[in-house]
Amino acid sequence: AQTVTQSQPEMSVQEAETVTLSCTYDTSESDYYLFWYKQPPSRQMILVIRQEAYKQQNATENRFSVNFQKAAKSFSLKISDSQLGDAAMYFCAYRTPFYGGSQGNLIFGKGTKLSVKP
Amino acid sequence: DSGVTQTPKHLITATGQRVTLRCSPRSGDLSVYWYQQSLDQGLQFLIHYYNGEERAKGNILERFSAQQFPDLHSELNLSSLELGDSALYFCASGKGELAGTDTQYFGPGTRLTVL
Repeated sequence: AQTVTQSQPEMSVQEAETVTLSCTYDTSESDYYLFWYKQPPSRQMILVIRQEAYKQQNATENRFSVNFQKAAKSFSLKISDSQLGDAAMYFCAYRTPFYGGSQGNLIFGKGTKLSVKP
Repeated sequence: DSGVTQTPKHLITATGQRVTLRCSPRSGDLSVYWYQQSLDQGLQFLIHYYNGEERAKGNILERFSAQQFPDLHSELNLSSLELGDSALYFCASGKGELAGTDTQYFGPGTRLTVL
């Protein structure tokens, strides 16, 4: 069974600094998708970034980038120039394949709570 | 705004009761996924519908059921409610397997409190 692990329950960063959130996963599949979602205090789940496993190039979205290490099954999120609005819970998610008992649902890690200090 | 709508935003009810949560997917999306977020279990997948058909079940209790209607909106029915059912229930929509990436976009959630 696929699993997602976020080993850092809480992280803190100074405003304008850079922080990296860790995520590891386990799967026997070779082609899959990984996501980072942000959940601010409003509780809305907001897509931050997406990575396709067959693409070796790391995904980037403005100040957010990932370090995808397929062999190590590692998918970390780097936030550059941190802003107060980045304070939130961040969830790493693995999308299951569209066959067998799975149909593309997401498996989430337990989340990392990020605080941003002014 | 993700384009996914969920009603109601908050629901307070008593044990043993039945409630219905509603979700309208983004325009053009055929897939609807339901997830439950609780303090002890985290975010868990409940059930997936694609174009009106059930496609996969996750950790969904027998007391819970769902359906997707011809207009693609979906309802999650929770019955014989227990205190432990108190949670935030999310609906997410996507284009489905034919779209390849099928990124899921989440609604604002329904917060259910069972007293």
